[in-house]
Amino acid sequence: DAGVIQSPRHEVTEMGQEVTLRCKPISGHNSLFWYRQTMMRGLELLIYFNNNVPIDDSGMPEDRFSAKMPNASFSTLKIQPSEPRDSAVYFCASSSVETQYFGPGTRLLVL
Amino acid sequence: KQEVTQIPAALSVPEGENLVLNCSFTDSAIYNLQWFRQDPGKGLTSLLLIQSSQREQTSGRLNASLDKSSGRSTLYIAASQPGDSATYLCVSSGSARQLTFGSGTQLTVLP
Repeated sequence: DAGVIQSPRHEVTEMGQEVTLRCKPISGHNSLFWYRQTMMRGLELLIYFNNNVPIDDSGMPEDRFSAKMPNASFSTLKIQPSEPRDSAVYFCASSSVETQYFGPGTRLLVL
Repeated sequence: KQEVTQIPAALSVPEGENLVLNCSFTDSAIYNLQWFRQDPGKGLTSLLLIQSSQREQTSGRLNASLDKSSGRSTLYIAASQPGDSATYLCVSSGSARQLTFGSGTQLTVLP
């Protein structure tokens, strides 16, 4: 298995633009997690899905952030409009039981 | 390559006891170190974040220390409660934001 796949790996955009981050979980995993890593706050959970259903989105910082999981093999995290303070590394992880497997992350820079 | 080790792998204590979880890492050039709590089927909950320039952080009954020179961090839990039962993860972040996870300590607090 290729592990958790995230795209793009790097994204540079201008303030106000829409940003879409993509994640393909490991096949057979029924849970998917989105995390954000910043210098000041470390790794934070944004939202997670079980069987494609959002369970807890209390970590989503604002209405500008939205996440979808239309099927078991794909999820998106969208920021619209993006702001410079959204600059961070965004990680996707998936799990079947306990252990979460993390993707390589998307490094986002909003100018 | 960074390696993070957590000892013990499992710990069972009676309610009210104070306890210490240990984490060691091989590369002292870390950006920060973070302790998480993991409950079955849920995302990681951040407990404490220690920046590389800091020695300790406290939140309620929790205290985490960091000694980069010896490659060690500890998580101290005072007056443990059954609700503290969970798996505790130690995660280091390198200068390039790469994450290295410990294998976790499974804590059971008996009522």
